[in-house]
Amino acid sequence: AQSVAQPEDQVNVAEGNPLTVKCTYSVSGNPYLFWYVQYPNRGLQFLLKYITGDNLVKGSYGFEAEFNKSQTSFHLKKPSALVSDSALYFCAVRVFDAGNMLTFGGGTRLMVKP
Amino acid sequence: SQTIHQWPATLVQPVGSPLSLECTVEGTSNPNLYWYRQAAGRGLQLLFYSIGIGQISSEVPQNLSASRPQDRQFILSSKKLLLSDSGFYLCACVGANVLTFGAGSRLTVL
Repeated sequence: AQSVAQPEDQVNVAEGNPLTVKCTYSVSGNPYLFWYVQYPNRGLQFLLKYITGDNLVKGSYGFEAEFNKSQTSFHLKKPSALVSDSALYFCAVRVFDAGNMLTFGGGTRLMVKP
Repeated sequence: SQTIHQWPATLVQPVGSPLSLECTVEGTSNPNLYWYRQAAGRGLQLLFYSIGIGQISSEVPQNLSASRPQDRQFILSSKKLLLSDSGFYLCACVGANVLTFGAGSRLTVL
């Protein structure tokens, strides 16, 4: 069975510092991996995805993620955090069955302090 | 690209009352559609998905049901709400390998 783990409930970063939000996955076969962001009382917004190709994927708002097959990880990164990046972040893996559903991690709350 | 509309955005209902949340999709045809619930502002639980009109799969046995009367319409219902049905309900559809979400419907059951 496919699964996604986000080991940190919350990540605290000072504005201007680099940030990393961790994600590890467990799937059979090649994974499709995703990151989403959720602002308060809003739906989830797509940030980036890894399907195939370059292990470093660049997405919206300056975020990027690195696919590491040997460590089964897909950590989200940004070189310089903004206060406006404070939100809830979800990692997800695509399940290849009849529904082609996404399985989500539990979410990590990112707090960027001025 | 597809756009998802959900309504109502906010709903407060008494225990035992019925529920109907509606989701419609624009910009695509024959989409796979999904209902997720988010409790306490954290994890997402997949409730139902549909790969076509009248085709509904339930992921979690519960007090809710879903229907897909038209290609781009997905409805979440309950005959009698429970306190535990409170949460943030998100409709989503797949396009170009990306899951797109609606803005959500917040349900409070009192």
